[in-house]
Amino acid sequence: DAMVIQNPRYQVTQFGKPVTLSCSQTLNHNVMYWYQQKSSQAPKLLFHYYDKDFNNEADTPDNFQSRRPNTSFCFLDIRSPGLGDAAMYLCAAEAGRRGTDTQYFGPGTRLTVL
Amino acid sequence: AQRVTQPEKLLSVFKGAPVELKCNYSYSGSPELFWYVQYSRQRLQLLLRHISRESIKGFTADLNKGETSFHLKKPFAQEEDSAMYYCALRANFNKFYFGSGTKLNVKP
Repeated sequence: DAMVIQNPRYQVTQFGKPVTLSCSQTLNHNVMYWYQQKSSQAPKLLFHYYDKDFNNEADTPDNFQSRRPNTSFCFLDIRSPGLGDAAMYLCAAEAGRRGTDTQYFGPGTRLTVL
Repeated sequence: AQRVTQPEKLLSVFKGAPVELKCNYSYSGSPELFWYVQYSRQRLQLLLRHISRESIKGFTADLNKGETSFHLKKPFAQEEDSAMYYCALRANFNKFYFGSGTKLNVKP
């Protein structure tokens, strides 16, 4: 059973056209993460939520925003996608008990920017 | 600055041969290190973490703070071990840094 679900799996958008990627989890975990992974590169943490507390990485562009309306859902908004934002976007959920935690990843959304 | 380095993009071994996937990290604090695995057409999943000192699917990894390494080892590789392996560092409470991954190909 999928515990972290990402929709859509593939998203095509136009240069400059806002796009939203969604993630949901059935684990009821406190922490949710968004990563960006470009081809042949490491997953790069964009931001995370601990409950409702939003934590942005210092080098995450302002173009990327996130919302977490409730425990189960988290959204990634790209306000004005550029060609360089084409990537796989990974969502993960984690319980929040350090030392025993496991990050559960979704299957990812592959974003194409035309 | 925090960094995780996996020097090999691709590692090919024959079935039954030992395998070692290298991981080096840079972090001034007390690290938590993980290995994640991604099998073909599957999602990224945790393989093992250094805190647990466990062996999963025959894989082990020892944290060497002196050499700042966390290499993944298995004495006898199996074809089903073929996958992408990522080393990851938890630097602060919820900040993760991943290496760029090593593709392990186990040949029959």
